[in-house]
Amino acid sequence: EVQLVQSGAEVKKSGESLQISCKGSGYSFTNYWIGWVRQMPGRGLEWMGIIYPGDSHTIYSPSFQGQVTISADRSISTTYLQWSSLRASDTAIYYCAKHVAGRAAMDVWGQGTTVTVSS
Amino acid sequence: QTVVTQEPSFSVSPGGTVTLTCGLSSGSVSTTYYPSWYQQTPGQAPRTLIYSTNTRSSGVPDRFSGSILGNKAALTITGAQADDESDYYCVLYMGSGISVFGTGTKVTVL
Repeated sequence: EVQLVQSGAEVKKSGESLQISCKGSGYSFTNYWIGWVRQMPGRGLEWMGIIYPGDSHTIYSPSFQGQVTISADRSISTTYLQWSSLRASDTAIYYCAKHVAGRAAMDVWGQGTTVTVSS
Repeated sequence: QTVVTQEPSFSVSPGGTVTLTCGLSSGSVSTTYYPSWYQQTPGQAPRTLIYSTNTRSSGVPDRFSGSILGNKAALTITGAQADDESDYYCVLYMGSGISVFGTGTKVTVL
């Protein structure tokens, strides 16, 4: 069974750094793009960016370029979403999602990681 | 910046049919945008319904179907059931690896 398992909820303060993770299993991790999606409280879904774990090639939405860093460690089938300095506006649920062959759509989703940032 | 537009809400009767659309603030949607559709119920992760315009994801019942209608992508739910009451999002592929979510449609079954 293809699965993505995300790390647990985080509560942080503004200015702190954070890294959340997403571990894939049940498929060839290095051969499919994985993306990250943000959902702020009461709001819709936002596409943040994707990474190809095979070579760590990364593409960001212009809205998130420079705000977060997406990375991967293919030796442990895990991708990461990282902030160097959190803001209260980063409070959201973050989902990882495996893409279908190619990179145009997502087919399997992680359970989500809730990030709460207090000022 | 291009906005992907969806109807804010729709209501459908049990057993009825509803068609949601996904358009662009400027321009027409075609298969080259590889439209995909996702269902999200409150408190849950999204679930993939349709990708590449009309390919159903694994396990998705055939009462969900995707198409291009005029200048928009469309998701049709035929024979709506109570548990179809959810938020529905489309995604359009903009090229160069970048995708954009639509604004989402809240579907009520009553």
